[in-house]
Amino acid sequence: SAVISQKPSRDICQRGTSLTIQCQVDSQVTMMFWYRQQPGQSLTLIATANQGSEATYESGFVIDKFPISRPNLTFSTLTVSNMSPEDSSIYLCSVEVSTKETQYFGPGTRLLVL
Amino acid sequence: GENVEQHPSTLSVQEGDSAVIKCTYSDSASNYFPWYKQELGKRPQLIIDIRSNVGEKKDQRIAVTLNKTAKHFSLHITETQPEDSAVYFCAASTPGYQKVTFGTGTKLQVIP
Repeated sequence: SAVISQKPSRDICQRGTSLTIQCQVDSQVTMMFWYRQQPGQSLTLIATANQGSEATYESGFVIDKFPISRPNLTFSTLTVSNMSPEDSSIYLCSVEVSTKETQYFGPGTRLLVL
Repeated sequence: GENVEQHPSTLSVQEGDSAVIKCTYSDSASNYFPWYKQELGKRPQLIIDIRSNVGEKKDQRIAVTLNKTAKHFSLHITETQPEDSAVYFCAASTPGYQKVTFGTGTKLQVIP
């Protein structure tokens, strides 16, 4: 497995502002993913972050709203831009360890937008 | 794309009884099926997984079965304990697509 940390663990933000979430892994990984989990719901993939290339976004998510950086094989950031109350959610990063397709999740960032 | 359906959405069992959660998937090319347990306020944790070349896998009180023909897979928990209470997610992964699709989740309550 991998040790994954996220910052911040939680935040309360005003609408119209932006928040950048950081994800750090203790080993080099090729694939990193960003998910959103709304209260009582399943996990929805926002985008796949590959080192050295543009992130791949899922239907319904766009780069202007959720810009992602992946500067190296152990770190990624997700920015939630121009936030509205509908963005209140838990944001989780995950990593795929080796090529076994198994994903391990970070602890999540709980975001409340007022 | 892949679609994963999961049933039931909620499940209550008496401590010591068995619990079964069922999932179906749509993409016949999917070949990896993990199960995650998420306790309240915690991250999803991988509890067991199965690949398409295997029909059943067991790990102590937890087992997963896979029927590729029917595109069904199930999680079985025997001798349930209160600490098994959580939300369980099934998922399916398609080779080459590098994406895991999650089911809608099952909230399991084990009543002492």
